[in-house]
Amino acid sequence: ETGVTQSPTHLIKTRGQQVTLRCSSQSGHNTVSWYQQALGQGPQFIFQYYREEENGRGNFPPRFSGLQFPNYSSELNVNALELDDSALYLCASSLEPAQRGDEQFFGPGTRLTVL
Amino acid sequence: DQQVKQNSPSLSVQEGRISILNCDYTNSMFDYFLWYKKYPAEGPTFLISISSIKDKNEDGRFTVFLNKSAKHLSLHIVPSQPGDSAVYFCAADISGTYKYIFGTGTRLKVLA
Repeated sequence: ETGVTQSPTHLIKTRGQQVTLRCSSQSGHNTVSWYQQALGQGPQFIFQYYREEENGRGNFPPRFSGLQFPNYSSELNVNALELDDSALYLCASSLEPAQRGDEQFFGPGTRLTVL
Repeated sequence: DQQVKQNSPSLSVQEGRISILNCDYTNSMFDYFLWYKKYPAEGPTFLISISSIKDKNEDGRFTVFLNKSAKHLSLHIVPSQPGDSAVYFCAADISGTYKYIFGTGTRLKVLA
């Protein structure tokens, strides 16, 4: 059992609004990565946090930001929502920045719809 | 620019037969490759991986083959079972970057 949870399951927002998505990592996992999976696409790496600091970022604009807390929870914040932000957002946690796939565990995702 | 490509969106296979899922990549810096399986309403789960220093890795019914000269990897599932029906993603990484680059996925349907 992975133990990674995400909330909410589904969310509907309108263009221009701001949204916060939450992830609860497995206990003891110091690393969380966030991915965006658009319809018909594979997950795209947004950024990674390690011990509450950003530890790498993909090709996403600054309006995508994150926070990681000492209690193994984390947030993904998206400002000024655009229609193209509609996607499934996945978080994945690991003990350390994972170099092996079996060290990283994904949550079920949050489905965001922007109208 | 799609650095990791899965050109077959779907595949149907009879139970007991072999399933072969293919993946191509363009970045020669990739040195670690993974396959993930995803069921509806669940996050991807790790299936098998291979380092670029190998050309084959086996784990039970699952084998991944890597052809570096062709920049191609494949996942073989033998024998296929109905429970294998899922979307399969290949992913690639450059060691130390932790930024997995995923393909677009192949939906496998194993027919009973």
